[in-house]
Amino acid sequence: EVQLVQSGAEVKKPGESLRISCKGSGYSFTSYWISWVRQMPGKGLEWMGRIDPSDSYTNYSPSFQGHVTISADKSISTAYLQWSSLKASDTAMYYCARQGLETTDMDVWGKGTTVTVSS
Amino acid sequence: SYELTQPPSVSVSPGQTARITCSGDALPKQYAYWYQQKPGQAPVLVIYKDSERPSGIPERFSGSSSGTTVTLTISGVQAEDEADYYCQSADSSGTYEVFGGGTKLTVL
Repeated sequence: EVQLVQSGAEVKKPGESLRISCKGSGYSFTSYWISWVRQMPGKGLEWMGRIDPSDSYTNYSPSFQGHVTISADKSISTAYLQWSSLKASDTAMYYCARQGLETTDMDVWGKGTTVTVSS
Repeated sequence: SYELTQPPSVSVSPGQTARITCSGDALPKQYAYWYQQKPGQAPVLVIYKDSERPSGIPERFSGSSSGTTVTLTISGVQAEDEADYYCQSADSSGTYEVFGGGTKLTVL
């Protein structure tokens, strides 16, 4: 079964750092992009950026460039999303999704990781 | 920055046809994709490459494209189709992905 398994919910304080993960299984991890998508409470989906796990090439939405870092370790089929200094406005659900290299549909999604940032 | 525009809400009675539009300047050049999201769940791909339906998606879901607008059509709407629907596509260069603002489908 093709699946993406995300790490568990996080509760952090403003200014703290965080890395969440997304582990792929059941397919060739290096044959698809992994995209990260934010959904703030009660709001819509926002594409943050993606990584090609085969060579760790990334591209980011201008809205998120410089605020987060996307990385991957292909040896363990895992992608990461990290923050160096969280803000309360980072409180959201974060999804990872498998994205085709040519037809860029997101056909497999993780269940999401809830990040809560509060003092 | 590039934007995709969807109506905030659409309401239909069971058995009727729901049409949800998505407009964007780059849509003549870039494929569009549609996702269904129910409360508390991750999104599910229901249409890819403008009009293709993934396996397991009911035939009542279809997609079409005309110029700068793509449309998701749900024929014979059922109560279980009540959800938020999002379109997704890329900017004209294919560098960035964008989601529409989402449309809440209400089945009356």
